[in-house]
Amino acid sequence: AQKVTQAQTEISVVEKEDVTLDCVYETRDTTYYLFWYKQPPSGELVFLIRRNSFDEQNEISGRYSWNFQKSTSSFNFTITASQVVDSAVYFCALSEVDYGGSQGNLIFGKGTKLSVKP
Amino acid sequence: EAQVTQNPRYLITVTGKKLTVTCSQNMNHEYMSWYRQDPGLGLRQIYYSMNVEVTDKGDVPEGYKVSRKEKRNFPLILESPSPNQTSLYFCASSLRGRLEAFFGQGTRLTVV
Repeated sequence: AQKVTQAQTEISVVEKEDVTLDCVYETRDTTYYLFWYKQPPSGELVFLIRRNSFDEQNEISGRYSWNFQKSTSSFNFTITASQVVDSAVYFCALSEVDYGGSQGNLIFGKGTKLSVKP
Repeated sequence: EAQVTQNPRYLITVTGKKLTVTCSQNMNHEYMSWYRQDPGLGLRQIYYSMNVEVTDKGDVPEGYKVSRKEKRNFPLILESPSPNQTSLYFCASSLRGRLEAFFGQGTRLTVV
C-alpha cells in the first residue's frame, strides 16, 4: 500500500531561520512521483515541485531546496532564511503511474503547518 | 488564464438536501478528480475521471456521486448530505501524459 508520512504536525520558527520539513513515503511501485504542495492561509493549493522515482538529483529553487533519497524513502523540503510569507501548511504527496504513464491518484501526507514569526 | 473553477466557494446546507458542487477546467485536461481535506487527515481522493464517461472511485467515495458528460466539467453530487461530509473540497485536473495537477480554489461545505 502507498503511504506518505509527515511526522511534523506543526513547526514554529523565527524569521531567517532555516527549516526542514520531513516526508517519508511507502510504495511498492518502482515508478512513482513525489510532490510538494503549499497551502497558504487563503486555502488554495499551490504546486511547488514534482520528482520522479528515477531522478534523485536534489533541486534548488531560490530559498527552497528538496532532498530526495530513495535509500531512506524520503523527500525532504528545506526553506532557507524563512520569511513570514512562508507560513502555510505544506503537503507532501505520492502518485502512482497509470497505464498511460500519467499521474494517478495523489496520496497526500497529513501536512505540516509552518509558522514563521517575525 | 488556465484554471480550475469550483462553485460555490462556501456552502452551508441541511442534512438530506441534495447539492452539487461544480468543477470546470479550461485546459482540455483528460484527468479530473475530487479530494476532501479534513483536519489531521490531509487530502483524500473521492472520485476521479480519466476521460469523458469514465469515472472511478477513489479512497472515500461513500455518499458521493460524480458524472463526466463533458471534458471540461466534473460535478460532485451529494444526494443526501450528512454532517460527516462537512469538509473542504478540492477539484483537480491534469493533462494525460503530464504530471502536474491543477487544483481549484476549494469549496468549504458545512452540513448541519
